[in-house]
Amino acid sequence: AQSVAQPEDQVNVAEGNPLTVKCTYSVSGNPYLFWYVQYPNRGLQFLLKYITGDNLVKGSYGFEAEFNKSQTSFHLKKPSALVSDSALYFCAVRPLIGDYKLSFGAGTTVTVRA
Amino acid sequence: EAGVVQSPRYKIIEKKQPVAFWCNPISGHNTLYWYLQNLGQGPELLIRYENEEAVDDSQLPKDRFSAERLKGVDSTLKIQPAELGDSAVYLCASSFPRGHGETQYFGPGTRLLVL
Repeated sequence: AQSVAQPEDQVNVAEGNPLTVKCTYSVSGNPYLFWYVQYPNRGLQFLLKYITGDNLVKGSYGFEAEFNKSQTSFHLKKPSALVSDSALYFCAVRPLIGDYKLSFGAGTTVTVRA
Repeated sequence: EAGVVQSPRYKIIEKKQPVAFWCNPISGHNTLYWYLQNLGQGPELLIRYENEEAVDDSQLPKDRFSAERLKGVDSTLKIQPAELGDSAVYLCASSFPRGHGETQYFGPGTRLLVL
């Protein structure tokens, strides 16, 4: 069975500083990895995904994520955070081949202070 | 392009009452998902449809939950009777079929409160 761990419930950064949201995963075979963001009273919005190829994936709103197979990690990063990036972030994984089910982490609340 | 549409956005009912949620997926998305999201947790899959066929309903509590997607487009999720523990956000998502880009796009959700 696959699983995702987001070790930090909350991340607090100052506007303009780098933002990192951590994610580690467990899956059989090669992973298909996703990041989503959720604003209050809204559904999940897709940010980016990793399938194969370059380990650094670029996504929406200036976000990027780095896939590290040896550490089974897929950390989300943004070089300069904005107050508007304050939201709940979810990492998700499923096997590239096989089980179609997408497993989500518990989420990390990001707060960017002005 | 319109996103995934869900209604109602909010629903308050008393326990033991029935409730239904409706979802209209993104046009062309054959695959439709219903998720349950409890407070402070990530979404958990309830059921997945490929067109009108429920291909994975292993996580759906079938004693009280049911779902349908009769024409392979819109879908309805029903709870009858509702229990206090069903209070949560019910999310619908859709995607293209496997092998054609399977990113799931989510609707805004229906927030259910059972009193």
